[in-house]
Amino acid sequence: DTAVSQTPKYLVTQMGNDKSIKCEQNLGHDTMYWYKQDSKKFLKIMFSYNNKELIINETVPNRFSPKSPDKAHLNLHINSLELGDSAVYFCASSHVGQENTGELFFGEGSRLTVL
Amino acid sequence: DQQVKQNSPSLSVQEGRISILNCDYTNSMFDYFLWYKKYPAEGPTFLISISSIKDKNEDGRFTVFLNKSAKHLSLHIVPSQPGDSAVYFCAASVHNDMRFGAGTRLTVKP
Repeated sequence: DTAVSQTPKYLVTQMGNDKSIKCEQNLGHDTMYWYKQDSKKFLKIMFSYNNKELIINETVPNRFSPKSPDKAHLNLHINSLELGDSAVYFCASSHVGQENTGELFFGEGSRLTVL
Repeated sequence: DQQVKQNSPSLSVQEGRISILNCDYTNSMFDYFLWYKKYPAEGPTFLISISSIKDKNEDGRFTVFLNKSAKHLSLHIVPSQPGDSAVYFCAASVHNDMRFGAGTRLTVKP
């Protein structure tokens, strides 16, 4: 009964392909995120959605397009994959309120390898 | 532009001793600071946090200290246990925007 689940866990593909990573959370949270962990192990925020609306959009190539069909889902679609896109992508969710710090709950990560 | 920095990529301590992990930040607008723990092939999990209006928060073996004037926080684990071996990420947030450090790999030797 995973709280934040993302699929696929591993993805190997060729340069130029288009791929998607799906994320679902069953915690009732109102905010979802995508983070990228690159080869240097930095966790960098890419996007944040609150109630299906985009609220954070870092400097990410237009080839990356998040889609939030509802509060419980935030999918990441990547067009024209490049070698530098190889990384582990983490989905996360949170609920920000007066009584909590808005800590993030992460999925297990999706390791993308572009050949 | 790394707003949250963990300058020590790794730390090794003996079981039973204290582990001290350090973190520095540059954005004075951050209002919450958090530590996450990550095992291989898993996502980071929340460990402990501190509000910017406090200077210490303790939870069992884990204590986080915040020095706002120095823009520095640290995580103390005492006594350290082999099961604490993991990568520890420092994070800071403001308005739903959470930034992470590069992580410190802690190894606790039996």
